[in-house]
Amino acid sequence: KAGVTQTPRYLIKTRGQQVTLSCSPISGHRSVSWYQQTPGQGLQFLFEYFSETQRNKGNFPGRFSGRQFSNSRSEMNVSTLELGDSALYLCASSLAGPPTDTIYFGEGSWLTVV
Amino acid sequence: AQSVTQLGSHVSVSEGALVLLRCNYSSSVPPYLFWYVQYPNQGLQLLLKYTSAATLVKGINGFEAEFKKSETSFHLTKPSAHMSDAAEYFCAVSDLGSSNTGKLIFGQGTTLQVKP
Repeated sequence: KAGVTQTPRYLIKTRGQQVTLSCSPISGHRSVSWYQQTPGQGLQFLFEYFSETQRNKGNFPGRFSGRQFSNSRSEMNVSTLELGDSALYLCASSLAGPPTDTIYFGEGSWLTVV
Repeated sequence: AQSVTQLGSHVSVSEGALVLLRCNYSSSVPPYLFWYVQYPNQGLQLLLKYTSAATLVKGINGFEAEFKKSETSFHLTKPSAHMSDAAEYFCAVSDLGSSNTGKLIFGQGTTLQVKP
């Protein structure tokens, strides 16, 4: 069974640009969540989607957005990039969402903003 | 509000020695507790999960954790460290409250170093 797949794995963007990251969940999983990981702030919850609906959102500015498609694949978008957005962005999927269902993480997308 | 505190950002043990990684949580409702491990340049892998079924939870790779409500702790242990255990470990908490739907709150992580 394929795991959670994130693309691209590495990317470099310039301040002010926007970026879209993609996540393909494990087959059959309907919940997809996103986390930002930085050395200073650690792992922070961005948002969670279930059946194309955003069920929860973390404390991030509106520049961070996401969506989920009918096939459960998800994308997150960051507009007007800032240097502080440089981070590892992790996607995780589960059958119906934590905490009752185990979430499985992808390997992440490394974003560097210069 | 939920929170997780991992005591010690770096822990160093000798190969074969006991591993003890500390985690304390704060939750106003019965929590779900997790330990994840992250190897360099990889995502997070679940080691074990507490769901109130049993206070002593056994996980993969010989790890286990004990839920102690009175101490609000969920420390991770392994009797004998292997070199391959060197990684970063994260404790996380969640619950069934509507405000926490689909969300895990992570601690800051503990880097485990295993010396030969």
